[in-house]
Amino acid sequence: RKEVEQDPGPFNVPEGATVAFNCTYSNSASQSFFWYRQDCRKEPKLLMSVYSSGNEDGRFTAQLNRASQYISLLIRDSKLSDSATYLCYSGAGSYQLTFGKGTKLSVIP
Amino acid sequence: DAGVIQSPRHEVTEMGQEVTLRCKPISGHNSLFWYRQTMMRGLELLIYFNNNVPIDDSGMPEDRFSAKMPNASFSTLKIQPSEPRDSAVYFCASSLGNPKGELFFGEGSRLTVL
Repeated sequence: RKEVEQDPGPFNVPEGATVAFNCTYSNSASQSFFWYRQDCRKEPKLLMSVYSSGNEDGRFTAQLNRASQYISLLIRDSKLSDSATYLCYSGAGSYQLTFGKGTKLSVIP
Repeated sequence: DAGVIQSPRHEVTEMGQEVTLRCKPISGHNSLFWYRQTMMRGLELLIYFNNNVPIDDSGMPEDRFSAKMPNASFSTLKIQPSEPRDSAVYFCASSLGNPKGELFFGEGSRLTVL
C-alpha cells in the first residue's frame, strides 16, 4: 500500500487558470508535509511547506486537512513556467519519509 | 555555495558490472538520503544516514545494493552486480538537523544497465 497518493495527471490548463492538486496520505501519524516541484530531467526542489493553518506564497496556497488526511496545492493565475511535476512529501516520525509519485502540470499558451 | 554534488551524471554499463555512485552533501548538513526514481515507482527512499550512521536501509532493494558514508562529506551507493531493472535516476539529498527539514537534492545520476 502506497502511503502517499497523488493523481498523476497530466493536468493541462490554459495560462491564467487556477488549478488545484490533492495528495492523500494513509499514515495518520504523519507530521510533516511539503510540496516539491520537479522540472523535466531535473532534481526535485522545495516549493513550500504545509502547515496546519495553511500557508500562502504569492500565487501558491497549500493546505492540510488532517481529518480527511490530505494536503492540497492551489496555483492561481497559472504561468507557462509553472509547467512541472509537483510532488507531495509526508513524514511520519523521524525516519518515515514518503514522496508521492507526482502530478504533472502543463500550462498551455 | 555548492549544493549537493553527485557523480557520475550519466552511467551506461552492462549487466553484471559493478556501479558506484558518489555524493558530496552540502557542508554542515548531517542527514543524507539516497533515492531512486523511475516512472513506475516514483521517488523511493533507499537509505538514510544521520551523522554518517545508516539509520534506515529498509528501502534498499536487495543485497546487491550497498551504501556507505565514511565521513560527513562523502557517500557512495554501490550496485554489484548490476541488472537492467536497476536502470533509474539515483538522487542524493542532504538536510540540516532532523529529517523533517528541507531536502536539498543533487542533480542525480542517470544509470542505464544494458
